[in-house]
Amino acid sequence: SQELEQSPQSLIVQEGKNLTINCTSSKTLYGLYWYKQKYGEGLIFLMMLQKGGEEKSHEKITAKLDEKKQQSSLHITASQPSHAGIYLCGADVETSGSRLTFGEGTQLTVNP
Amino acid sequence: DAGITQSPRYKITETGRQVTLMCHQTWSHSYMFWYRQDLGHGLRLIYYSAAADITDKGEVPDGYVVSRSKTENFPLTLESATRSQTSVYFCASRRSGAQPQHFGDGTRLSIL
Repeated sequence: SQELEQSPQSLIVQEGKNLTINCTSSKTLYGLYWYKQKYGEGLIFLMMLQKGGEEKSHEKITAKLDEKKQQSSLHITASQPSHAGIYLCGADVETSGSRLTFGEGTQLTVNP
Repeated sequence: DAGITQSPRYKITETGRQVTLMCHQTWSHSYMFWYRQDLGHGLRLIYYSAAADITDKGEVPDGYVVSRSKTENFPLTLESATRSQTSVYFCASRRSGAQPQHFGDGTRLSIL
C-alpha cells in the first residue's frame, strides 16, 4: 500500500466552486509539501507545512496540517480554470529528511 | 533567476542505445534526485545524491547509472535503453532536509 494516499484521485468542479484535496500518511509526518503540475511541465512548489495545526495560504489556496491524524488538506476557494492541473503532496516520513515520499496526485479539472 | 535545468527536453532513441539525461542546478543545493513519472505509478525515485561523490539507490534503480562529480550536475545514464524505460524523467534538488524539493521541467524520453 502507498505510504502517502491522496483523495480523490480526480475531481471535476464548476468554476467558482470550493474544493478540498486530502493527503494521508501511514507514517509520522516530519514535513508536508504541496506541488502543482500542469500537463507536460515540471512540479511547481506551492506550500510547506511543518508543524501540527499549521495553516498556510497563497491567493485562494489554503493548506493545513493535522499532525495527529497524519493528514494534510489543500482547499481551493472559488476555483478558476487556472487552478486546473495535478496536485501532489510530498512528505518527509523519515527523520533523515533527505528524500520526499509522494502521493500519486489528484487531477483537478475546472469547467468554465 | 538561477534554477534547475534539464536537457534534452525531448529524446527519442532505440532499444540498446546508451542515453544520458543532464541535470544542472545553480543553487549549490546538497541534495539532488532523479524521478520517473508514469501513469498509474506516480513519481518514483530512481537515484539520489546527498553531496558530490555520494549517491544512493531509490525505488527503481535497475538499468540506470548516476554520477555526481560536481555539486551542480547530476547526470542520469541509461546504459542499454529498454522500452520499459520510456517515461518522463524529472530531476530535483533540495538545499537540506526540512526544505522543499525544486524540480526541473522534465525530459520526455521515448525508446522505440
